[in-house]
Amino acid sequence: GAGVSQSPSNKVTEKGKDVELRCDPISGHTALYWYRQSLGQGLEFLIYFQGNSAPDKSGLPSDRFSAERTGGSVSTLTIQRTQQEDSAVYLCASSPDASNYGYTFGSGTRLTVV
Amino acid sequence: QKEVEQNSGPLSVPEGAIASLNCTYSDRGSQSFFWYRQYSGKSPELIMFIYSNGDKEDGRFTAQLNKASQYVSLLIRDSQPSDSATYLCAVKRPGSTLGRLYFGRGTQLTVWP
Repeated sequence: GAGVSQSPSNKVTEKGKDVELRCDPISGHTALYWYRQSLGQGLEFLIYFQGNSAPDKSGLPSDRFSAERTGGSVSTLTIQRTQQEDSAVYLCASSPDASNYGYTFGSGTRLTVV
Repeated sequence: QKEVEQNSGPLSVPEGAIASLNCTYSDRGSQSFFWYRQYSGKSPELIMFIYSNGDKEDGRFTAQLNKASQYVSLLIRDSQPSDSATYLCAVKRPGSTLGRLYFGRGTQLTVWP
């Protein structure tokens, strides 16, 4: 696609429910990243996929968070048993490879846990 | 010490002035440096990148890198109200996960007419 596509754009969920966030990177981009940004805060790294390599999960805040990337393209970030502190904008980004390119970000998913 | 530090601002300049945004980083071996612009409620947008010491110019934007001082800056000449945004500095560190960028918390810039 022309850009990084994320869905849904907004999600309101009840505390304790599971949510899935989707990211479709730019076609041909092998590297895919998930970050989150809480209100007024900086970007917090969550997870990184590069081609067929094992993902770097070092930024996932708890075992309630998981992510997968199918076929080297679309990625899904899953949050189980959501908590109010999970409320944030979840940003997906992709880059052509893992070298010196900057990222292209999607428009994000705004998650609100009530 | 945080990997990437920026003054949070806000930085306020009049229209037509030069806005200077600064960033320092902790890992001396860092290789690549990026500036992103983020409008309120929007996602970050890459505006500049620099790899070598010195200046790199692109239109009204100039990125400056000084690896000895571990310092990177962004100058915006002839600032416009449309430049009002938060500017994020990002660094690629050596030995880190390939491709992962470390972001500062951003400097909020306001350009007033």
